[in-house]
Amino acid sequence: NAGVTQTPKFQVLKTGQSMTLQCAQDMNHNSMYWYRQDPGMGLRLIYYSASEGTTDKGEVPNGYNVSRLNKREFSLRLESAAPSQTSVYFCASSKRGGASYEQYFGPGTRLTVT
Amino acid sequence: SQKIEQNSEALNIQEGKTATLTCNYTNYSPAYLQWYRQDPGRGPVFLLLIRENEKEKRKERLKVTFDTTLKQSLFHITASQPADSATYLCALGYQAGTALIFGKGTTLSVSS
Repeated sequence: NAGVTQTPKFQVLKTGQSMTLQCAQDMNHNSMYWYRQDPGMGLRLIYYSASEGTTDKGEVPNGYNVSRLNKREFSLRLESAAPSQTSVYFCASSKRGGASYEQYFGPGTRLTVT
Repeated sequence: SQKIEQNSEALNIQEGKTATLTCNYTNYSPAYLQWYRQDPGRGPVFLLLIRENEKEKRKERLKVTFDTTLKQSLFHITASQPADSATYLCALGYQAGTALIFGKGTTLSVSS
């Protein structure tokens, strides 16, 4: 099992450009999450999908959109990138939603917006 | 809003000693508290979960305690090794919600 995979691993964008971060899991998990991690800020939830067909905003959703394409895949889109979106982005999944389930994280995407 | 504090950004100890990391929270107590390990350049990896009605949980050299009166969780690594050097994150979760709230982490360095 590959677990949670993310593409790309690194990306540099210019301000105003758009891009989509891809995430896939092969553990048959129902819930998936997108976080960003910044120095001194910890992990912050951007969006999550408790189950296929549903998505909800997290703590920092502004400037992002998500799509739960199917049970395996959950993508994060930046429509018009800004320097404030320079960060490391992690996708995670869990068997079900709710804090009683452990989360499995991908390796991260390091995004720089100039 | 809920606030989580992990005792310090960095903790340095000698090999063989017990490392103790602290996670404090304000306001209402979570139903669940999880601990993760994160190595540089990698995603967090789940270590332990403890429920509000559990006082202690163990896994090999790891022990987690949960004190709802003190609003605190302690994470212990006994007989620490240089390979235990990493950043450790605590995360809180509530019964009704689906989101975990993560602390900023404590970076542990174990020297030989």
